[in-house]
Amino acid sequence: GDSVTQMEGPVTLSEEAFLTINCTYTATGYPSLFWYVQYPGEGLQLLLKATKADDKGSNKGFEATYRKETTSFHLEKGSVQVSDSAVYFCALSVSGSSNTGKLIFGQGTTLQVKP
Amino acid sequence: DSGVTQTPKHLITATGQRVTLRCSPRSGDLSVYWYQQSLDQGLQFLIQYYNGEERAKGNILERFSAQQFPDLHSELNLSSLELGDSALYFCASSVGQLNTGELFFGEGSRLTVL
Repeated sequence: GDSVTQMEGPVTLSEEAFLTINCTYTATGYPSLFWYVQYPGEGLQLLLKATKADDKGSNKGFEATYRKETTSFHLEKGSVQVSDSAVYFCALSVSGSSNTGKLIFGQGTTLQVKP
Repeated sequence: DSGVTQTPKHLITATGQRVTLRCSPRSGDLSVYWYQQSLDQGLQFLIQYYNGEERAKGNILERFSAQQFPDLHSELNLSSLELGDSALYFCASSVGQLNTGELFFGEGSRLTVL
């Protein structure tokens, strides 16, 4: 079945460090890929998305490129800030005849940025 | 503020009891989704409603049920509660029936079963 695998956390970085959070997926059909972020005490928010192969999603300095050949959608940011401390979720939805109207989420990766 | 409202924010109850969680979607959104977030299972899709009709079912237990009312708010009913049902329950909404992935999440209802 469709699934998403994220690197395990927590990831602890110093401010201004480079961030990569790995995400790989398994899907039938043609998935759209997403990164959601959950700040402490809040619900999830869409961070960025890519709907087809080679698309790059970007927002707030974060980027992720939809790589069909490696079934990956790694999240990157060049210089993290303390305010980026949160839990990051990779997710997919699959369009087509079997669309069941749901997002499939990875386990989430906790990022902690220290000053 | 996502525009999705969930009540209650916190709920503590005992095993065997029944609770109801309520969700008001964003204005104009016709789809409502329920997710369960726990430490061991992660974020699990439970069920989706679109304009009052059930559209998709995920890992929802038979002890759980949901519905969406004509005013589009939704309720998730959890019965015969067990310790393992302790979790954060999220409601999310979107405009359309097909899931494009752009969901708007509420802040969640934290259920503790003692």
